Amino acid sequence: RKEVEQDPGPFNVPEGATVAFNCTYSNSASQSFFWYRQDCRKEPKLLMSVYSSGNEDGRFTAQLNRASQYISLLIRDSKLSDSATYLCAVNKEDNFNKFYFGSGTKLNVKP
Amino acid sequence: GAVVSQHPSRVICKSGTSVKIECRSLDFQATTMFWYRQFPKQSLMLMATSNEGSKATYEQGVEKDKFLINHASLTLSTLTVTSAHPEDSSFYICSASRPGGSQETQYFGPGTRLLVL
Repeated sequence: RKEVEQDPGPFNVPEGATVAFNCTYSNSASQSFFWYRQDCRKEPKLLMSVYSSGNEDGRFTAQLNRASQYISLLIRDSKLSDSATYLCAVNKEDNFNKFYFGSGTKLNVKP
Repeated sequence: GAVVSQHPSRVICKSGTSVKIECRSLDFQATTMFWYRQFPKQSLMLMATSNEGSKATYEQGVEKDKFLINHASLTLSTLTVTSAHPEDSSFYICSASRPGGSQETQYFGPGTRLLVL
């Protein structure tokens, strides 16, 4: 079983729509969780951290469900510029804080 | 966010040559850096963890003699792909770990596209 799994999509939504992605992780000892955004042929950029209490940044809301071992990302009022691949990252704290990434969920926001 | 640079951004080389990629953290000291590889339409795969002043730790299946890592200072890690072959063609990305708050965050360099002919 993969450390981190995501639905690859694509999710095709109209501008203004609300869309949500989930990401499941296999290791219950995982400590830190993040969402990254990756544009085509570019490096991932940190979108937001995911805290136990949830995290909201403008139109973006991230949640953590430890019992079911998944994190979620909700995007409200989608913009064309939100089109990208969204990667979740899970950090299992050992000596070196290694990250495991999901394969990403592709989002296409259409006019 | 933190700034991590990577050089070169793109490399085209002949099979059998060695390629060196540099990763620098520009505005913070990184005791740990990470090297990833990403093939088209696939996820980032962690190759190795680079530790300043000690040997790198490689993930299972990654040949340490082929992918040489040196973390000479708190701001520089290098990855050398030795005797590169066409199957090594990929997008190589480094990241630097920056402690902050309750979670360590990784910031990525812009990546290096390697094409081995």
